[in-house]
Amino acid sequence: GAGVSQSPRYKVAKRGQDVALRCDPISGHVSLFWYQQALGQGPEFLTYFQNEAQLDKSGLPSDRFFAERPEGSVSTLKIQRTQQEDSAVYLCASRGRGLAAYEQYFGPGTRLTVT
Amino acid sequence: AQSVTQLDSHVSVSEGTPVLLRCNYSSSYSPSLFWYVQHPNKGLQLLLKYTSAATLVKGINGFEAEFKKSETSFHLTKPSAHMSDAAEYFCVVCLEGAQKLVFGQGTRLTINP
Repeated sequence: GAGVSQSPRYKVAKRGQDVALRCDPISGHVSLFWYQQALGQGPEFLTYFQNEAQLDKSGLPSDRFFAERPEGSVSTLKIQRTQQEDSAVYLCASRGRGLAAYEQYFGPGTRLTVT
Repeated sequence: AQSVTQLDSHVSVSEGTPVLLRCNYSSSYSPSLFWYVQHPNKGLQLLLKYTSAATLVKGINGFEAEFKKSETSFHLTKPSAHMSDAAEYFCVVCLEGAQKLVFGQGTRLTINP
């Protein structure tokens, strides 16, 4: 079956622009996670959804970052007024019902470059 | 707080020689620890997991790791490197009840022919 997909795969934005990154989780997976991976670093947790409810957004670095999952499937991570420090790979992961916390399936990521 | 430290940012070995990627953890109790691999332009893939059962854990592609509580270590090993093992490797801890994964900084593994 299809894995987690993300679009676009690459995004270049001028500083100050708004961007929207999309994640399509594995069909039927109730949990969805966003991580940010800066160049040369490990991924860092941003936020977590269970169905449409955003249960943890402790990792969002500023109020310019906003995530939604209105129907409990596709999720969008929006970054307003992008800054150069937002340049990173944004990873999405999903997890099926009843699976352990660590059993997250990752997408290929969206590489955001802010110029 | 739980965290992991990967001791080497880059490891280079020759094909056919052993691989050792080092990871130390910090935790107030026995954590759940994992190794993930990230190939270029591909998603992160779980290599192996330790969840308080056997301390020697076998994973995919011939990798294994040993949980050593006395040394607070969870090093990743493979007896004989293959060219296809070239990738970025992450040691990861799962925060109990918090649903989130905490990644180390990563170790880039290069295989020389």
